[in-house]
Amino acid sequence: QVTLRESGPALVKPTQTLTLTCTFSGFSLSTSRMCVSWIRQPPGKALEWLALIDWDDDKYYSTSLKTRLTISKDTSKNQVVLTMTNVDPVDTATYYCARILRSYSSYNGMDVWGQGTTVTVSS
Amino acid sequence: AIQMTQSPSSLSASVGDRVTITCRTSQGIRNDLSWYQQKPGKAPKLLIYAASSLQSGVPSRFSGSGSGTDFTLTISSLQPEDFATYYCLQDYNYPWTFGQGTKVEIK
Repeated sequence: QVTLRESGPALVKPTQTLTLTCTFSGFSLSTSRMCVSWIRQPPGKALEWLALIDWDDDKYYSTSLKTRLTISKDTSKNQVVLTMTNVDPVDTATYYCARILRSYSSYNGMDVWGQGTTVTVSS
Repeated sequence: AIQMTQSPSSLSASVGDRVTITCRTSQGIRNDLSWYQQKPGKAPKLLIYAASSLQSGVPSRFSGSGSGTDFTLTISSLQPEDFATYYCLQDYNYPWTFGQGTKVEIK
């Protein structure tokens, strides 16, 4: 059974760095074609794609947040970490991680999601 | 980045109705599009990937179609548990982008 769980601080002050951890089970990110992505959702708003890391340690980022985001993986711990620097109240959102399987030439959707972790940015 | 135009932003429908949601992309994306259902307070759920492939365990009343720039999610006979918000996502190239969502409400 594949599961993912997000963890991190519930409250962060403006200008601080936010570190979120996605701990997963049921698959390995060292297995070919496996990927993990981060997505967020501000209260009452749409989903926003943030970043993705794949089995080969390739990393991809949202254009608007690229300078503030870093995604990394620890395959021995089955974890993916997302750091966001210089947070602002507009970064208040529920943050999700999700698994993606890559097929030969495309992706097969975000098939398993974590339950999300809510982060509030406020002084 | 590829822009996504999802419509309508909301709709009211009755149980048993046929519902269609569309997603248009600013450039061609082959069939690299997926659809998600999200209920309040819950994580999204994958319904359709590669534009028309039904995710395992998803009821067959859900279907997807389209390629290039125009895509459709159809619910053939709306059920009470289908009242939710639906999102499309393009995974053709980075950065990936979601549509703005369609809220399906009870009429």
